[in-house]
Amino acid sequence: DADVTQTPRNRITKTGKRIMLECSQTKGHDRMYWYRQDPGLGLRLIYYSFDVKDINKGEISDGYSVSRQAQAKFSLSLESAIPNQTALYFCATSDTRKAYEQYFGPGTRLTVT
Amino acid sequence: QKEVEQNSGPLSVPEGAIASLNCTYSDRVSQSFFWYRQYSGKSPELIMSIYSNGDKEDGRFTAQLNKASQYVSLLIRDSQPSDSATYLCAVNINQAGTALIFGKGTTLSVSS
Repeated sequence: DADVTQTPRNRITKTGKRIMLECSQTKGHDRMYWYRQDPGLGLRLIYYSFDVKDINKGEISDGYSVSRQAQAKFSLSLESAIPNQTALYFCATSDTRKAYEQYFGPGTRLTVT
Repeated sequence: QKEVEQNSGPLSVPEGAIASLNCTYSDRVSQSFFWYRQYSGKSPELIMSIYSNGDKEDGRFTAQLNKASQYVSLLIRDSQPSDSATYLCAVNINQAGTALIFGKGTTLSVSS
């Protein structure tokens, strides 16, 4: 089945460490997104990409960077993790023809101690 | 600031009843509206999309849109315990398709 996968699924890291979260998709979608979800704050957009050469900041991009290595791969990096980046991170994809219909990966639970 | 508002709940209904979930949005130019279902510890799953005023039905789910009132709702008929989840309303914020704004979700609990 066409799918969106995220690795790792769970990660515990220490303050100041660099960490990368990876997203891959077999849906053939051109658009990819990174969100974080926090209790009481809902889903918030971090970065999004329309294609390999297009990267855009979302609502809360400070402290994060991304790389679109291929149409199917979109990674999120925390250069120097801090405790308030503890959250559930989701990757999502959509097709240009139905741009707003986004499909989510299973999520990565990140804890920064 | 563009906002999407939902009652957090919990909304409790007995099995077989109709569950009604509501959402209001602040951006008058929004054109696309979505409902996602999220089970605890899982990722959001798209269950309904609606683009025009009126009702759209899919099985037990009906989405209702009123752009003049900036209001979108989701009705779940014959509610089942398996419908117990958090329901997220999402609205586009611009014509370029760059992003959705999500509400914080309404938690639905269906008791058997």
